[in-house]
Amino acid sequence: AQKVTQAQTEISVVEKEDVTLDCVYETRDTTYYLFWYKQPPSGELVFLIRRNSFDEQNEISGRYSWNFQKSTSSFNFTITASQVVDSAVYFCALSDRSNTGNQFYFGTGTSLTVIP
Amino acid sequence: ETGVTQSPTHLIKTRGQQVTLRCSSQSGHNTVSWYQQALGQGPQFIFQYYREEENGRGNFPPRFSGLQFPNYSSELNVNALELDDSALYLCASRLGGLGTGELFFGEGSRLTVL
Repeated sequence: AQKVTQAQTEISVVEKEDVTLDCVYETRDTTYYLFWYKQPPSGELVFLIRRNSFDEQNEISGRYSWNFQKSTSSFNFTITASQVVDSAVYFCALSDRSNTGNQFYFGTGTSLTVIP
Repeated sequence: ETGVTQSPTHLIKTRGQQVTLRCSSQSGHNTVSWYQQALGQGPQFIFQYYREEENGRGNFPPRFSGLQFPNYSSELNVNALELDDSALYLCASRLGGLGTGELFFGEGSRLTVL
């Protein structure tokens, strides 16, 4: 069965600190895709990154970076030099081919508060 | 902004009533998915429509139904509303019914059932 676990429910950091959001996933499929989304108070889920299971290279985009490790089934997200605008709920999600409709399985989210 | 629009943004219903939520997908996207997000939880997959046909369904009862129109817009209908149906309903679109590309979400319709 597919499952995504985000063990950190809430995190608070002071502005300019680095913060890492953890994501652990479960799937029996060898081909799968991992995603991170940001949900500000407006409610819209904003796409941040998509990673397929065959590409374990870490990725950096500005202050954001992602560490994908198949050996530990983790796909962690780091924000460097956090800013107040980073305050939001962040969701990790998994999609594989073993389900109809290619549904996304979301974790329960991590609420990040950046204190000025 | 993703180009996915949903209406209404907020609504209040009473138990037993019926509700229809609407979604316009991003231009060019032929696949629409609906998710239910309860307070403090992650989104849960309801169903997906591809070229006007349902091609995937999550663990939701038949009183949750949907439609997709030729212009790829979509409706979510919920009959016999229950208190636990109170949630944010998110619509998402993408190109391709069987792909695993990213979903683009709207801002949601927040339903309160009293």
